[in-house]
Amino acid sequence: DTEVTQTPKHLVMGMTNKKSLKCEQHMGHRAMYWYKQKAKKPPELMFVYSYEKLSINESVPSRFSPECPNSSLLNLHLHALQPEDSALYLCASSHLRSGDQPQHFGDGTRLSIL
Amino acid sequence: GENVEQHPSTLSVQEGDSAVIKCTYSDSASNYFPWYKQELGKRPQLIIDIRSNVGEKKDQRIAVTLNKTAKHFSLHITETQPEDSAVYFCAPRDNYGQNFVFGPGTRLSVLP
Repeated sequence: DTEVTQTPKHLVMGMTNKKSLKCEQHMGHRAMYWYKQKAKKPPELMFVYSYEKLSINESVPSRFSPECPNSSLLNLHLHALQPEDSALYLCASSHLRSGDQPQHFGDGTRLSIL
Repeated sequence: GENVEQHPSTLSVQEGDSAVIKCTYSDSASNYFPWYKQELGKRPQLIIDIRSNVGEKKDQRIAVTLNKTAKHFSLHITETQPEDSAVYFCAPRDNYGQNFVFGPGTRLSVLP
């Protein structure tokens, strides 16, 4: 029973393509996150949104562009990605951004760049 | 920034034995200490957490202990079962929502 829903589950794209990853939660959480996870590594924070505003960008290349259209939705727009960007992209949410909030993760989008 | 380590990196135990994983952190402002379990091909899931005003917390076969002075906290799993086989991540957090670093992970294998 996944409370954070991510689509698509798998995505294969060329280096010149433009695609978007989507994340949705209906728990009333006001903080949402994007993480990147490579095989056998921990999740690595990319972006944090708090009350629909970008609050943390961990120096992510501009070929990744996040968007938070409302409190339930989080998108990650992809353009001109590199093969090293192939990874599992995880979305998470928490009640608030403050540190003592457990994070709820989606199942992720497995991205492959050809 | 926060420096987080986990020991051991891999752990194999016989079914029914206990397992202990230790997480050390550097940021003295950390005051929330969760453990996440990630099974192969699945999402990380919170299994237990503790806040800095508590030294120990238990939930059935799982417990977490905290030593804030020494800056480490540990995950204890008793009566291990094959379904406990997974990678476990600690993720200490400060109160301001600035650090979102996960530990490197511990791969636990429970042998039947």
